[in-house]
Amino acid sequence: TQLLEQSPQFLSIQEGENLTVYCNSSSVFSSLQWYRQEPGEGPVLLVTVVTGGEVKKLKRLTFQFGDARKDSSLHITAAQPGDTGLYLCAGGGGGATNKLIFGTGTLLAVQP
Amino acid sequence: GAGVSQTPSNKVTEKGKYVELRCDPISGHTALYWYRQSLGQGPEFLIYFQGTGAADDSGLPNDRFFAVRPEGSVSTLKIQRTERGDSAVYLCASSPAGRIAFFGQGTRLTVV
Repeated sequence: TQLLEQSPQFLSIQEGENLTVYCNSSSVFSSLQWYRQEPGEGPVLLVTVVTGGEVKKLKRLTFQFGDARKDSSLHITAAQPGDTGLYLCAGGGGGATNKLIFGTGTLLAVQP
Repeated sequence: GAGVSQTPSNKVTEKGKYVELRCDPISGHTALYWYRQSLGQGPEFLIYFQGTGAADDSGLPNDRFFAVRPEGSVSTLKIQRTERGDSAVYLCASSPAGRIAFFGQGTRLTVV
């Protein structure tokens, strides 16, 4: 069974601080996605990484896929209250199914 | 429609009753996914359709859960003899190909 563990589970920080969220697995994934989810809404895709060692930037967000494609990180610079939400990583295992395995989630609260 | 639509948005039912949850995917999307999410947790995979057929139903927890997609568009998730443990948000997602998934807002099911 493929599992994705995220850490930390909860994070409460002040506006302007930096933070990093980790997504780890013992399994190799062909691709990995990061989503952000707000209360009462479905997850919204932020980025997809497919190559080991790949780094992608989206404004103040930096995403990295581990060299072995087993882990990933999300770094937010100068967090803002609008960044508040549940951050989810999701791995694609390849094969015919195309299903995503979601991580355990990191709930981020940015205080003004 | 412009996005994935799920109805109803909220459903309260009594233990033992039968419920149906509906998902209207983005027009033209051949892949459709059902997930279940508990508060503050990552979504848990239930079933994946490619066209009309269930390509992977390995996430359905037991035989009380069933899903159909008869014409390759709208899908219905059916739960028989509901139990309190079935209470969760049921998310539907669709995709044109690959693993980029667009999620609906979900149906919050409460079994009392």
